Amino acid sequence: ELKVEQNPLFLSMQEGKNYTIYCNYSTTSDRLYWYRQDPGKSLESLFVLLSNGAVKQEGRLMASLDTKARLSTLHITAAVHDLSATYFCAVDLSQKLVFGQGTRLTINP
Amino acid sequence: EAGVVQSPRYKIIEKKQPVAFWCNPISGHNTLYWYLQNLGQGPELLIRYENEEAVDDSQLPKDRFSAERLKGVDSTLKIQPAELGDSAVYLCASSLRGGSGGELFFGEGSRLTVL
Repeated sequence: ELKVEQNPLFLSMQEGKNYTIYCNYSTTSDRLYWYRQDPGKSLESLFVLLSNGAVKQEGRLMASLDTKARLSTLHITAAVHDLSATYFCAVDLSQKLVFGQGTRLTINP
Repeated sequence: EAGVVQSPRYKIIEKKQPVAFWCNPISGHNTLYWYLQNLGQGPELLIRYENEEAVDDSQLPKDRFSAERLKGVDSTLKIQPAELGDSAVYLCASSLRGGSGGELFFGEGSRLTVL
């Protein structure tokens, strides 16, 4: 059974700081997704990582994938309040996505 | 382009009552998913359709849950009878193709409260 674990589960940080969210998974897969969810809203796709060593950046967010270590990271640079949300990683397993528990990120002024 | 549309957005019912949720996927998307999201948790797959065929329903509690996707477009998820533990958000998603690499697009969800 595939297990997807994120850490931390809760993160409170100040604006302007950098931080990283980690996503570990237990079974071989070379495809991983990051989603953002605002309270009461649906999931918004952020990144699709399709191969080992993939790195993608959008604004202050950068995601990477190491399939050998079964690890993906989501790095936040110079955080701003608008990035406050819950972030999920999801691993592709046999044509379905298995999600982590989510990381609730709060960015304080 | 319209996204994935779900209705109703909110539903409050008493236990043992039936409830149904409807989903209209993005036009042209052959693969449709129903996910369950409990409070503070990540979504969990209930069922996946390729066109009108349910290709993965291993996580669907078939004693009380049923789903259909007639004509391979819209889909309905039904719970009968509902239990207190069914309170959650039911998310519908669609993708252009179901194979690995097909990005999922989610609807806003149907939030169910069972009293």
